Amino acid sequence: GDSVTQMEGPVTLSEEAFLTINCTYTATGYPSLFWYVQYPGEGLQLLLKATKADDKGSNKGFEATYRKETTSFHLEKGSVQVSDSAVYFCALKASNYQLIWGAGTKLIIKP
Amino acid sequence: DGGITQSPKYLFRKEGQNVTLSCEQNLNHDAMYWYRQDPGQGLRLIYYSQIVNDFQKGDIAEGYSVSREKKESFPLTVTSAQKNPTAFYLCASRSGTNQPQHFGDGTRLSIL
Repeated sequence: GDSVTQMEGPVTLSEEAFLTINCTYTATGYPSLFWYVQYPGEGLQLLLKATKADDKGSNKGFEATYRKETTSFHLEKGSVQVSDSAVYFCALKASNYQLIWGAGTKLIIKP
Repeated sequence: DGGITQSPKYLFRKEGQNVTLSCEQNLNHDAMYWYRQDPGQGLRLIYYSQIVNDFQKGDIAEGYSVSREKKESFPLTVTSAQKNPTAFYLCASRSGTNQPQHFGDGTRLSIL
């Protein structure tokens, strides 16, 4: 069945460092892919999405490119801030329109 | 402002007691979802509803029940049959099959 695998956290970086959080998926066809962010004590917010191969989703300085050949959707940001500290979830939309979620990656940014 | 409201933010349950978590949305979304989140894990789908008066079990429906009598409301009851109910519960809604899900701020349920 469909699945999403994220790199394990926590990921700890210093402010202004480059961020990559890896996400790979297994699915039939070409599902839409999403990154959601969860700040402490809150629900999830959609960060960005991509609906077809080679699409690049971007928002708030974060980017992710839908790579069909490597079945990946890695999240990147060129210069992280303390306020980016949160848990990041990768997800795909399965053929039945439900979301399949990764386990989440906790990001800690130190000043 | 439009959004999803979950209440209460914190909820405590005694052993053997049923509790109901509220989820209300004013986004006019057709589909609504309940997820459970445990520490260090992704979201697991409990129940979902694509339309009023209809709902389906998700991956971990045992010990839970829902109703969808109104488009705006999708309450979740955690019954005494759920032996490990302590978790963070998230409600979400979606307007169309190609639209992303929008989430409430969650309810944290604990056992006394």
